[in-house]
Amino acid sequence: QQKVQQSPESLIVPEGGMASLNCTSSDRNVDYFWWYRQHSGKSPKMLMSIFSNGEKEEGRFTVHLNKASLHTSLHIRDSQPSDSALYLCAARNYGSSGNKLIFGIGTLLSVKP
Amino acid sequence: NAGVIQTPRHKVTGKGQEATLWCEPISGHSAVFWYRQTIVQGLEFLTYFRNQAPIDDSGMPKERFSAQMPNQSHSTLKIQSTQPQDSAVYLCASSSDRNTLYFGAGTRLSVL
Repeated sequence: QQKVQQSPESLIVPEGGMASLNCTSSDRNVDYFWWYRQHSGKSPKMLMSIFSNGEKEEGRFTVHLNKASLHTSLHIRDSQPSDSALYLCAARNYGSSGNKLIFGIGTLLSVKP
Repeated sequence: NAGVIQTPRHKVTGKGQEATLWCEPISGHSAVFWYRQTIVQGLEFLTYFRNQAPIDDSGMPKERFSAQMPNQSHSTLKIQSTQPQDSAVYLCASSSDRNTLYFGAGTRLSVL
Protein backbone atom coordinates (compact mmCIF):
# COMPACT_ATOMS: atom_id res chain seq x y z
CA GLN A 1 0.00 0.00 0.00
CA GLN A 2 1.25 3.44 -0.98
CA LYS A 3 2.20 5.52 2.04
CA VAL A 4 1.68 8.70 0.06
CA GLN A 5 -1.73 8.62 -1.58
CA GLN A 6 -2.79 10.97 -4.33
CA SER A 7 -6.19 11.73 -5.78
CA PRO A 8 -7.62 11.76 -8.30
CA GLU A 9 -5.59 9.30 -10.39
CA SER A 10 -6.37 11.34 -13.47
CA LEU A 11 -7.99 14.67 -14.17
CA ILE A 12 -9.18 16.44 -17.28
CA VAL A 13 -9.74 20.19 -17.16
CA PRO A 14 -10.51 22.68 -19.92
CA GLU A 15 -7.93 25.28 -20.88
CA GLY A 16 -8.32 28.21 -18.52
CA GLY A 17 -9.92 26.05 -15.84
CA MET A 18 -8.85 25.20 -12.29
CA ALA A 19 -7.14 21.91 -11.46
CA SER A 20 -7.10 20.67 -7.88
CA LEU A 21 -4.88 17.78 -6.81
CA ASN A 22 -4.74 16.11 -3.40
CA CYS A 23 -2.13 14.21 -1.43
CA THR A 24 -2.15 12.57 2.00
CA SER A 25 0.55 10.69 3.85
CA SER A 26 -0.36 7.71 6.00
CA ASP A 27 3.22 7.65 7.27
CA ARG A 28 3.26 9.80 10.41
CA ASN A 29 7.04 10.23 10.26
CA VAL A 30 6.92 12.90 7.56
CA ASP A 31 7.29 16.62 7.82
CA TYR A 32 7.95 18.46 4.54
CA PHE A 33 6.13 18.10 1.23
CA TRP A 34 7.02 18.74 -2.39
CA TRP A 35 5.09 18.71 -5.65
CA TYR A 36 6.96 17.53 -8.73
CA ARG A 37 5.81 17.70 -12.33
CA GLN A 38 6.82 15.10 -14.89
CA HIS A 39 6.10 15.66 -18.57
CA SER A 40 5.82 12.56 -20.75
CA GLY A 41 9.23 11.03 -21.40
CA LYS A 42 10.99 13.43 -19.06
CA SER A 43 12.25 13.25 -15.49
CA PRO A 44 10.40 14.79 -12.54
CA LYS A 45 11.12 18.44 -11.82
CA MET A 46 10.33 20.21 -8.58
CA LEU A 47 7.36 22.52 -8.90
CA MET A 48 6.73 23.71 -5.37
CA SER A 49 7.66 22.87 -1.82
CA ILE A 50 5.83 23.58 1.42
CA PHE A 51 7.21 23.07 4.88
CA SER A 52 4.78 24.98 7.14
CA ASN A 53 1.06 24.95 7.73
CA GLY A 54 -0.88 27.23 5.45
CA GLU A 55 -0.74 28.35 1.88
CA LYS A 56 1.98 29.26 -0.60
CA GLU A 57 1.39 30.85 -3.99
CA GLU A 58 3.72 31.08 -6.97
CA GLY A 59 2.15 32.49 -10.09
CA ARG A 60 -0.73 30.24 -11.18
CA PHE A 61 0.16 27.59 -8.63
CA THR A 62 -1.00 27.43 -4.99
CA VAL A 63 -0.21 24.75 -2.44
CA HIS A 64 -1.85 24.16 0.92
CA LEU A 65 -0.53 22.11 3.81
CA ASN A 66 -2.26 20.81 6.92
CA LYS A 67 0.40 19.16 9.05
CA ALA A 68 -2.08 17.76 11.56
CA SER A 69 -3.74 15.66 8.86
CA LEU A 70 -0.59 15.35 6.71
CA HIS A 71 -2.60 16.57 3.75
CA THR A 72 -1.41 18.83 0.97
CA SER A 73 -3.16 20.08 -2.13
CA LEU A 74 -2.02 21.74 -5.33
CA HIS A 75 -4.24 24.11 -7.26
CA ILE A 76 -3.49 25.30 -10.76
CA ARG A 77 -5.56 28.21 -12.01
CA ASP A 78 -5.89 29.27 -15.63
CA SER A 79 -4.64 25.82 -16.66
CA GLN A 80 -2.70 25.64 -19.93
CA PRO A 81 -2.15 22.69 -22.29
CA SER A 82 1.53 22.84 -21.30
CA ASP A 83 0.45 21.96 -17.74
CA SER A 84 -0.56 18.49 -18.99
CA ALA A 85 1.75 16.14 -17.09
CA LEU A 86 2.04 13.66 -14.23
CA TYR A 87 2.02 15.48 -10.88
CA LEU A 88 3.88 13.70 -8.10
CA CYS A 89 3.55 14.46 -4.42
CA ALA A 90 6.54 13.71 -2.21
CA ALA A 91 6.86 13.66 1.57
CA ARG A 92 10.09 13.67 3.52
CA ASN A 93 10.37 10.71 5.86
CA TYR A 94 12.60 11.59 8.78
CA GLY A 95 13.04 8.06 10.10
CA SER A 96 16.02 6.78 12.02
CA SER A 97 17.85 6.00 8.78
CA GLY A 98 17.97 9.63 7.76
CA ASN A 99 15.81 11.66 5.46
CA LYS A 100 14.36 10.37 2.22
CA LEU A 101 11.50 11.43 -0.03
CA ILE A 102 8.58 9.06 -0.48
CA PHE A 103 6.48 9.64 -3.61
CA GLY A 104 2.87 8.98 -4.48
CA ILE A 105 1.92 7.32 -7.75
CA GLY A 106 0.78 10.65 -9.12
CA THR A 107 -2.14 12.42 -10.74
CA LEU A 108 -2.19 12.55 -14.52
CA LEU A 109 -3.48 15.96 -15.57
CA SER A 110 -4.74 16.63 -19.06
CA VAL A 111 -5.65 20.17 -20.07
CA LYS A 112 -7.85 20.25 -23.16
CA PRO A 113 -7.73 23.26 -25.51
CA ASN B 1 25.67 23.30 -14.54
CA ALA B 2 24.84 20.20 -16.57
CA GLY B 3 22.51 18.78 -13.96
CA VAL B 4 22.51 15.15 -12.89
CA ILE B 5 23.97 12.97 -15.63
CA GLN B 6 22.92 9.34 -16.03
CA THR B 7 24.37 6.82 -18.42
CA PRO B 8 23.41 4.90 -20.38
CA ARG B 9 20.01 6.33 -21.34
CA HIS B 10 18.80 2.93 -22.47
CA LYS B 11 20.04 -0.54 -21.65
CA VAL B 12 18.76 -3.86 -22.90
CA THR B 13 19.89 -7.03 -21.16
CA GLY B 14 19.02 -10.67 -21.41
CA LYS B 15 17.56 -12.48 -18.44
CA GLY B 16 20.35 -13.42 -16.05
CA GLN B 17 22.83 -10.82 -17.28
CA GLU B 18 24.32 -8.00 -15.24
CA ALA B 19 23.49 -4.31 -15.63
CA THR B 20 25.47 -1.36 -14.29
CA LEU B 21 23.95 2.09 -14.22
CA TRP B 22 25.99 5.25 -13.71
CA CYS B 23 25.14 8.59 -12.13
CA GLU B 24 27.09 11.83 -11.86
CA PRO B 25 25.44 14.17 -9.32
CA ILE B 26 25.39 17.94 -9.43
CA SER B 27 28.70 19.28 -8.21
CA GLY B 28 28.51 20.34 -4.58
CA HIS B 29 25.45 18.29 -3.73
CA SER B 30 25.96 16.15 -0.66
CA ALA B 31 23.29 13.50 -1.20
CA VAL B 32 22.63 11.03 -4.01
CA PHE B 33 19.43 9.03 -4.31
CA TRP B 34 18.37 6.14 -6.52
CA TYR B 35 14.72 5.54 -7.44
CA ARG B 36 12.94 3.16 -9.78
CA GLN B 37 9.84 4.17 -11.72
CA THR B 38 7.21 1.88 -13.21
CA ILE B 39 3.62 2.49 -14.24
CA VAL B 40 2.29 0.13 -11.57
CA GLN B 41 4.49 1.01 -8.57
CA GLY B 42 5.26 4.62 -9.39
CA LEU B 43 8.48 6.14 -8.10
CA GLU B 44 10.04 3.73 -5.59
CA PHE B 45 12.91 4.66 -3.30
CA LEU B 46 15.88 2.31 -3.53
CA THR B 47 18.84 3.78 -1.66
CA TYR B 48 20.74 6.93 -0.83
CA PHE B 49 24.16 8.24 0.10
CA ARG B 50 25.16 11.34 1.99
CA ASN B 51 28.74 12.59 1.68
CA GLN B 52 29.47 9.28 -0.10
CA ALA B 53 28.39 7.19 2.90
CA PRO B 54 25.46 4.77 2.48
CA ILE B 55 22.61 5.96 4.70
CA ASP B 56 19.50 3.99 3.81
CA ASP B 57 19.18 1.04 1.45
CA SER B 58 15.78 -0.12 2.69
CA GLY B 59 14.28 -0.08 -0.80
CA MET B 60 16.91 -2.27 -2.41
CA PRO B 61 16.06 -5.87 -3.31
CA LYS B 62 18.78 -7.41 -1.17
CA GLU B 63 20.10 -10.29 -3.18
CA ARG B 64 20.77 -8.85 -6.61
CA PHE B 65 20.97 -5.08 -6.23
CA SER B 66 23.95 -3.13 -4.95
CA ALA B 67 24.95 0.53 -5.04
CA GLN B 68 28.21 2.30 -4.47
CA MET B 69 29.55 5.81 -4.35
CA PRO B 70 33.34 5.56 -4.59
CA ASN B 71 33.84 9.32 -4.90
CA GLN B 72 31.77 12.51 -4.76
CA SER B 73 31.41 12.67 -8.53
CA HIS B 74 29.73 9.39 -9.30
CA SER B 75 27.54 6.59 -8.04
CA THR B 76 26.71 3.22 -9.57
CA LEU B 77 23.75 0.88 -9.26
CA LYS B 78 24.49 -2.72 -10.17
CA ILE B 79 21.86 -5.35 -10.81
CA GLN B 80 23.08 -8.93 -11.01
CA SER B 81 21.17 -11.69 -12.76
CA THR B 82 18.58 -9.28 -14.16
CA GLN B 83 14.98 -10.45 -14.30
CA PRO B 84 12.07 -9.18 -16.43
CA GLN B 85 10.51 -7.57 -13.34
CA ASP B 86 13.61 -5.36 -13.06
CA SER B 87 12.52 -3.56 -16.23
CA ALA B 88 11.90 0.06 -15.26
CA VAL B 89 13.28 3.56 -15.52
CA TYR B 90 16.01 4.01 -12.94
CA LEU B 91 16.34 7.59 -11.77
CA CYS B 92 19.24 9.12 -9.93
CA ALA B 93 18.80 12.38 -8.04
CA SER B 94 21.05 14.62 -6.01
CA SER B 95 20.29 17.24 -3.40
CA SER B 96 21.95 19.76 -1.17
CA ASP B 97 21.02 20.07 2.49
CA ARG B 98 17.60 21.52 1.62
CA ASN B 99 16.36 18.10 0.46
CA THR B 100 14.87 19.18 -2.88
CA LEU B 101 15.77 16.44 -5.35
CA TYR B 102 17.16 17.17 -8.81
CA PHE B 103 16.65 14.19 -11.07
CA GLY B 104 18.68 12.96 -13.99
CA ALA B 105 17.07 11.90 -17.25
CA GLY B 106 17.02 8.29 -16.14
CA THR B 107 18.17 4.96 -17.52
CA ARG B 108 15.47 2.84 -19.13
CA LEU B 109 16.34 -0.81 -18.41
CA SER B 110 14.66 -3.48 -20.49
CA VAL B 111 15.23 -7.11 -19.52
CA LEU B 112 14.26 -9.53 -22.26
